[in-house]
Amino acid sequence: AQSVAQPEDQVNVAEGNPLTVKCTYSVSGNPYLFWYVQYPNRGLQFLLKYITGDNLVKGSYGFEAEFNKSQTSFHLKKPSALVSDSALYFCAVRAPYNNNDMRFGAGTRLTVKP
Amino acid sequence: NAGVTQTPKFRVLKTGQSMTLLCAQDMNHEYMYWYRQDPGMGLRLIHYSVGEGTTAKGEVPDGYNVSRLKKQNFLLGLESAAPSQTSVYFCASRDQWVGNQETQYFGPGTRLLVL
Repeated sequence: AQSVAQPEDQVNVAEGNPLTVKCTYSVSGNPYLFWYVQYPNRGLQFLLKYITGDNLVKGSYGFEAEFNKSQTSFHLKKPSALVSDSALYFCAVRAPYNNNDMRFGAGTRLTVKP
Repeated sequence: NAGVTQTPKFRVLKTGQSMTLLCAQDMNHEYMYWYRQDPGMGLRLIHYSVGEGTTAKGEVPDGYNVSRLKKQNFLLGLESAAPSQTSVYFCASRDQWVGNQETQYFGPGTRLLVL
């Protein structure tokens, strides 16, 4: 089955600095990749997705992600972090043969300090 | 437009008790999902439905049952709760149309504690 790994439980950055949240994936076939964000006591919110096309995907709130097929990675990035970006971020991969089978990573808690 | 709502928000059960979690969506989505979220494990799919009257097993279906009698509602049942089912449960739905179908919309979650 497909899977994703988020190697960092926690990422700390200072406000105004660039941020990166890492994700690597494993899937047979072409990957369908997603990033979701979860604020305290809320459900997950969609940020962006990669299905096909340009390797750099732009999403909500100024976030972007770079798809790298050779490194099987899909890292989330933002040029200038805001305190309000502090949340739990999940990477996910969908099976190419079953569009109802989404596998999520364990999550990375991002803390942006003023 | 409320999106995806879940009832109840929090519940405490004793081992062996039963309960039903309700998910409702007002976006006319065909597909609905139930996930559980546990610390350090992300979300895992329990069951899903591709339309009214249909259900299918996900990654961790044991101990749960589901029903989709109406398109807008997806019920998750625990017949005999166990402490291992202590978790946060999320419902999600998505559209069936190409171009919109990849994005899932999540409810706020139900926190369940089984003693």
